[in-house]
Amino acid sequence: EVQLVESGGGLVQPGGSLRLSCAASGFTFSSYEMNWVRQAPGKGLQWVSYISSGSGSIYYADSVKGRFTISRDNARNSLYLQMNSLRAEDTAVYYCARDKGAPEGYFDYWGQGALVTVSS
Amino acid sequence: DIVMTQSPDSLAVSLGERATINCKSSQSVLYSSNKKNYLSWYQQKPGQPPKLLIYWASTRDSGVPDRFSGSGSGTDFTLTISSLQAEDVAVYYCQQYYKTPWTFGQGTKVEIK
Repeated sequence: EVQLVESGGGLVQPGGSLRLSCAASGFTFSSYEMNWVRQAPGKGLQWVSYISSGSGSIYYADSVKGRFTISRDNARNSLYLQMNSLRAEDTAVYYCARDKGAPEGYFDYWGQGALVTVSS
Repeated sequence: DIVMTQSPDSLAVSLGERATINCKSSQSVLYSSNKKNYLSWYQQKPGQPPKLLIYWASTRDSGVPDRFSGSGSGTDFTLTISSLQAEDVAVYYCQQYYKTPWTFGQGTKVEIK
C-alpha cells in the first residue's frame, strides 16, 4: 500500500525557517517524481514544487522561488522541503504528493498533510 | 500562468440526481502533438487530502466509480456525477498540467439537497 507521511510542521515566526519531511513507503520511491502542494486554511490547492526521480529537474511556484528548496534522499525514501524566510501567507497544510508521471504534473497519491503556521 | 475557473462555486443536488461541474482554462490545455488534454479532477472530502479522480480530461483513475466522468477539450471541461451518492459530498477541483506552474481551479463544493 502506498503511504506518504509528512512531518516537521508547526508554528514559526515570520522570517523563520522550517523543514518538512515526507516518508514514502509501499512503492519504489526512486522511480517517481514527487511534489509539494499546499492549502491555506479554508482555501484551495496550490502546487508548490516538483522534483524528478533523480533530482535532475526541479521546479517551483514563483511565490516560493528563492525561499524554498525541495530535495530528496532516495536511499531513505524521503522527500524534503526546506522553507526559509517564511511569511504569514505561507500558512497552510503542506501535502506531499506522488506524481503519476509521463508527463509530470498530476498527483495520484497524497499524504495527510503537515500544518505550517507562520505567526508572531 | 494558466488560470482555471470553475462554476458553480457550490451546488446542492438530490441523492440519485446528476451533478455537473464546469472548468474553464485561460488558455488551451490540449497538446497538439498527442491530441491529449492535460486536465485532471480531484475530490477532497472534509479533513482528507485530495484524491485523483480523472486525468487526461476523461480517464478515470484506478478504483474510481464509473458514475464519475470527465469530458471536454481545449479550454472547457466538465466533471459529471451521474447519480449522486451521500459519499460524494466533497469539494472538487480541476487542475491543468499543461505547463508549470500547474494550477488548480478554486473548487466546487457539492452538497446534498
